[in-house]
Amino acid sequence: GAVVSQHPSRVICKSGTSVKIECRSLDFQATTMFWYRQFPKKSLMLMATSNEGSKATYEQGVEKDKFLINHASLTLSTLTVTSAHPEDSSFYICSAHGGGGYTFGSGTRLTVV
Amino acid sequence: GEDVEQSLFLSVREGDSSVINCTYTDSSSTYLYWYKQEPGAGLQLLTYIFSNMDMKQDQRLTVLLNKKDKHLSLRIADTQTGDSAIYFCAEATSFNKFYFGSGTKLNVKP
Repeated sequence: GAVVSQHPSRVICKSGTSVKIECRSLDFQATTMFWYRQFPKKSLMLMATSNEGSKATYEQGVEKDKFLINHASLTLSTLTVTSAHPEDSSFYICSAHGGGGYTFGSGTRLTVV
Repeated sequence: GEDVEQSLFLSVREGDSSVINCTYTDSSSTYLYWYKQEPGAGLQLLTYIFSNMDMKQDQRLTVLLNKKDKHLSLRIADTQTGDSAIYFCAEATSFNKFYFGSGTKLNVKP
């Protein structure tokens, strides 16, 4: 079946640095990828939708300059958390649309210290 | 955005049935999904139902959809300790966006 690989699974970074999270569709082409953030004991929140070759569409309240999304190919989308702060610590999950459905990555646990 | 609501906790004994409920607000939802999340892991798709269906059964899982009341439920028969996890319902809108509930933490006691 369709597989989405998300990397890294865990990352700890210092406050003020940037972190890049990759989301790859391994056996299908993903024309659209979605990025979600999960707050503790709360739901997954859709952050942005990215279409290959075009700018991402951000949900209301999500800072596009802070969460940079690049979808340069049909199999790869990246989320870069710039100038990370402790409040950015969260679980980030990507989802790819293609191959007949939606497939989620395994998530990235980001801890900013 | 769309509101999807679930109760936060459910505790059952092993062998009993579990019923997790979900309500949503967007009447244009195309598909409704149930996902399972184990600690530290991503989302695992359990099952889904198309919005024009009332029920779907898949082994131990039964999904019921009441479109009039915008109510979705997931029933797990013969619940096992391995079923302990957080269960998310989600609706997919016509714009291919997913909106998730807050998740129901299922605790299965031996």
